[in-house]
Amino acid sequence: EVQLVESGGGLVQPGGSLRLSCAASGFTFSNYWMTWVRQAPGKGLEWVANIKQDGSEIHYVDSVKGRFTISRDNAKNSLFLQMNSLRAEDTAFYYCARYLNSGPEDYWGQGTLVTVSS
Amino acid sequence: DIQMTQSPSSLSASVGDRVTITCRASQSISYWLAWYQQKPGKAPKLLIYKASNLESGVPSRFSGSGSGTEFTLTISSLQPDDFATYYCQKYDNYPVTFGQGTRLEIK
Repeated sequence: EVQLVESGGGLVQPGGSLRLSCAASGFTFSNYWMTWVRQAPGKGLEWVANIKQDGSEIHYVDSVKGRFTISRDNAKNSLFLQMNSLRAEDTAFYYCARYLNSGPEDYWGQGTLVTVSS
Repeated sequence: DIQMTQSPSSLSASVGDRVTITCRASQSISYWLAWYQQKPGKAPKLLIYKASNLESGVPSRFSGSGSGTEFTLTISSLQPDDFATYYCQKYDNYPVTFGQGTRLEIK
């Protein structure tokens, strides 16, 4: 059974940093692109970033470029999102998702909540 | 960037009704469109990919159609479990974007 479990969310002050993790199981992690998608409370979905199987290709939404870094450790079946210079508008549930070879995202974790507030 | 616009934003319907949700792209995305269902407090669930392909395990009352700039999600006979929010997503290239969502409520 495919499982994706996010962790690392919490309350952080504006300008602070946080590192999210996603533990994958039930599939060959190194065979798939992986994605982060976020959702502000009560709002719609926003695609954040994705990363190729070997980490050689990465894409970000403009609003996080230069502040967020996606990475992965295939040996540990883990996906990461390093978030720096956090802003109030980054407050959201962050989901990791598996991306099919020609898209879209088929399996999603249950999300971790990031709250940016003083 | 290509914008995705869903209509309606909300919809009230009854069990057994046939429901159609529309998603329009500001430029052609060929067939690179997906539909997701999301229930409160839960992660999105993939229903349809490549505009009209039913994801494994999804009931056949769900169907998708369209190409280019106009797409539809149809639920042929609403069931109690179908009341949720539905999102379209374009994934032809970057940035990947979602529609604003359609909230389907019980009448």
